[in-house]
Amino acid sequence: GEDVEQSLFLSVREGDSSVINCTYTDSSSTYLYWYKQEPGAGLQLLTYIFSNMDMKQDQRLTVLLNKKDKHLSLRIADTQTGDSAIYFCAEGANNAGNMLTFGGGTRLMVKP
Amino acid sequence: DAEITQSPRHKITETGRQVTLACHQTWNHNNMFWYRQDLGHGLRLIHYSYGVQDTNKGEVSDGYSVSRSNTEDLPLTLESAASSQTSVYFCASSKTVTDTQYFGPGTRLTVL
Repeated sequence: GEDVEQSLFLSVREGDSSVINCTYTDSSSTYLYWYKQEPGAGLQLLTYIFSNMDMKQDQRLTVLLNKKDKHLSLRIADTQTGDSAIYFCAEGANNAGNMLTFGGGTRLMVKP
Repeated sequence: DAEITQSPRHKITETGRQVTLACHQTWNHNNMFWYRQDLGHGLRLIHYSYGVQDTNKGEVSDGYSVSRSNTEDLPLTLESAASSQTSVYFCASSKTVTDTQYFGPGTRLTVL
C-alpha cells in the first residue's frame, strides 16, 4: 500500500528557516497536503500542491515537489515560536476517491 | 459560519461498552471521514462516506461502524470498546472527491 514518511522532530531558532521533508511512494498521487496540528487541536490545512506543479508559495510557506523522487518539502521562512506544532504531510489521489494517506508527523520546535 | 464539530471532546469508558462519537458538519459536504491518531502512526482512516446511505471501510475498520442517515452527520460507533481503541479520533469532511478535507477538533477516547 501507499506509504508516507517524515522525520519525527525538527528544532530551529526563531527567525531561521525551517524545512520539513516528506517522502511518499504512491506514484498516482494527485494532491499533496501539509497540515498543522497545535497541541490539543485538530488538523489545520496549511497548503496543498497539485502533482503537476513543482513549487507553490504562500506568504512564508514554500512547498517544493520533486515528483521524480517522490519528495515533498515545506519551507517556513522567518520561523516564529507560534509555528511550533506538529506538521503532517498527506497524499491523495483522484483514483482513490479523496482518501488521504498521512505521514507520522514532524514535531517542529522553535527556540527563542 | 459553517463548521465541523465533534462530541464529546473527551470520553473515558470501560472495556466492552458501546461508545458512539458524534461528528456534525454544516458545510453540506458529501464526503465524511473518520481517522484515529496514535503516536508513531500518524492518522489512519477508519471509515468514510461519500453520501447519504454510503459507508466504506478504511485501513483500520475492525471494531468500528458508521452510519450516514443524513448529509450533516457521521457517527462512529465502537461496538465493544477495547483498550487498543484508546486514541484521538478525528472527523473530516470535503465537498467533492477532489476537494480538500477539513478536520474537526478531535475526540480523545480512553478505554480502561
